[in-house]
Amino acid sequence: QQQVKQSPQSLIVQKGGISIINCAYENTAFDYFPWYQQFPGKGPALLIAIRPDVSEKKEGRFTISFNKSAKQFSLHIMDSQPGDSATYFCAARRVGSQGNLIFGKGTKLSVKP
Amino acid sequence: DAGVTQSPTHLIKTRGQQVTLRCSPKSGHDTVSWYQQALGQGPQFIFQYYEEEERQRGNFPDRFSGHQFPNYSSELNVNALLLGDSALYLCASTPTGANYGYTFGSGTRLTVV
Repeated sequence: QQQVKQSPQSLIVQKGGISIINCAYENTAFDYFPWYQQFPGKGPALLIAIRPDVSEKKEGRFTISFNKSAKQFSLHIMDSQPGDSATYFCAARRVGSQGNLIFGKGTKLSVKP
Repeated sequence: DAGVTQSPTHLIKTRGQQVTLRCSPKSGHDTVSWYQQALGQGPQFIFQYYEEEERQRGNFPDRFSGHQFPNYSSELNVNALLLGDSALYLCASTPTGANYGYTFGSGTRLTVV
């Protein structure tokens, strides 16, 4: 049973455009929502993360928007660059789980020059 | 400052064999988690080690076992390998009590033939 659903599966954006990736979680209490970026042959690298008591967090070109009532959160990449081309994963940590991250299935982003 | 290091980077094993994968956590981190990432999927939590004890376990069979040493490094052992065990195995570390900001290694690519 998938508890974190991610969409779209793949995304093509022009350089300078905005990339938007969405995630939704199901009927479980989570207390930490990170986004990871993964390049081929590498492990996931933490990009940005948010706690459920915050509705938005911005770090440089990356913004997380969080809607607790809808159980949805999204990643916005402003001014997308070819170097942003990678696979992005949203994740959630269950309350009291002490470290068990539940990942979405990933979004492969391609930024065209 | 070295991040999470994993060895070996690639491994080919025959069905039915046993395999041991190794992980050295980031300096200052004492909690180690292992994840399995099948091709085209998000990582799935296997288990977590803290103070040389398995603290939490995901939905993986007993063929998957682990160990943590006094220097916080860790091993993942898989017995009776199946073709379906072919995946990228990721190690992630985090500091004591933080349970945030998990740092992933680049993983070990295991192929079972």
